[in-house]
Amino acid sequence: DADVTQTPRNRITKTGKRIMLECSQTKGHDRMYWYRQDPGLGLRLIYYSFDVKDINKGEISDGYSVSRQAQAKFSLSLESAIPNQTALYFCATSDDNRGLSNQPQHFGDGTRLSIL
Amino acid sequence: AQSVSQHNHHVILSEAASLELGCNYSYGGTVNLFWYVQYPGQHLQLLLKYFSGDPLVKGIKGFEAEFIKSKFSFNLRKPSVQWSDTAEYFCAVNGNFGNEKLTFGTGTRLTIIP
Repeated sequence: DADVTQTPRNRITKTGKRIMLECSQTKGHDRMYWYRQDPGLGLRLIYYSFDVKDINKGEISDGYSVSRQAQAKFSLSLESAIPNQTALYFCATSDDNRGLSNQPQHFGDGTRLSIL
Repeated sequence: AQSVSQHNHHVILSEAASLELGCNYSYGGTVNLFWYVQYPGQHLQLLLKYFSGDPLVKGIKGFEAEFIKSKFSFNLRKPSVQWSDTAEYFCAVNGNFGNEKLTFGTGTRLTIIP
């Protein structure tokens, strides 16, 4: 089984719909992240959470919200989807090495989201 | 704010050729540096990382990277590429202390011709 699981893997929906992308992990990591990947732009951070009670905006948080339901679960919501949110979305986790940030991130397989 | 530049957007090589992908970063303090690889249709996987110590780091699948602090660079190298190295490669950087977010470069697409 994958350590970082994203659901759904693919989703096509219409403008204005509410969408939730789920991420769960079995690695026991405190830190979780949501990124979107667009061709030529690399990965951009949407939101991140360093523990269950911690939620932080990334560089492109407008139009998105998140919920950290438990250490293992971190979901991303698009309240009213728009076509320019069409992208590949990745969830990632990392270990908290005594407050240092030198641990690598572990990625899920991604959710391909298309907004029509 | 930290940033990462990968100037090679698409590199095409023949099998057995040598590879060097450029990565330059800007950050004012002690950095952690990473190279990730994304094979077609897959998620990102860690190739190698640098935190401290020997500036020449070796990763999986014969890849290595050299941290040159004076040049703010962390270039990825492989002496002889294989068709299976076809993928997209991302350089990433963060600061070592506190809750530092990871910043990714825009990626380099590598195509290996058999």
